[in-house]
Amino acid sequence: DTGVSQDPRHKITKRGQNVTFRCDPISEHNRLYWYRQTLGQGPEFLTYFQNEAQLEKSRLLSDRFSAERPKGSFSTLEIQRTEQGDSAMYLCASSLEGVGQEAFFGQGTRLTVV
Amino acid sequence: AQSVTQPDIHITVSEGASLELRCNYSYGATPYLFWYVQSPGQGLQLLLKYFSGDTLVQGIKGFEAEFKRSQSSFNLRKPSVHWSDAAEYFCAVGMDSSYKLIFGSGTRLLVRP
Repeated sequence: DTGVSQDPRHKITKRGQNVTFRCDPISEHNRLYWYRQTLGQGPEFLTYFQNEAQLEKSRLLSDRFSAERPKGSFSTLEIQRTEQGDSAMYLCASSLEGVGQEAFFGQGTRLTVV
Repeated sequence: AQSVTQPDIHITVSEGASLELRCNYSYGATPYLFWYVQSPGQGLQLLLKYFSGDTLVQGIKGFEAEFKRSQSSFNLRKPSVHWSDAAEYFCAVGMDSSYKLIFGSGTRLLVRP
């Protein structure tokens, strides 16, 4: 297994367009997390899944954001009607369930809204 | 509300010198504590974590951290820094066994030759 994969690595979009990012977790990991990281800041939690169930969403996740994990494997994060403030690195991580497990992060998708 | 403070935005040390990066957290109960490192263009890599037990935690790459409940701190240390340690370091807090974490704003480490 090559770790957590995210696609695309970079995305430039015009304001108002919709974008979708994909995350492929480590295959046996049942938990998947999305974070957003802006320049000079630490990552901020957005949402996480256990298998296909979305267990929690941050208040940061506006109605324009939606995440899915339809078969409990890969996940997508869609942003509708992008705004310049959405420009950030979007990070995905996965882990097994349970105390003491480690979460592994992907390299992220850098979104630039122009 | 839970929060994590990393008071040093930048730290510069000479290669071979010792290092301590500070982290303070605000949380009502005993948190789960983490240190991550992020190099340019790379994902976050876990250095070490504290869930319970011994308050001195050993991690990868020669790093260690000590949980001090009385000071609400989890400072990261390394006795001798290598040039390859130059990176951004993040402290994070978790409230349960999930990786729904609150990160600090990071400390950028620069290493002088």
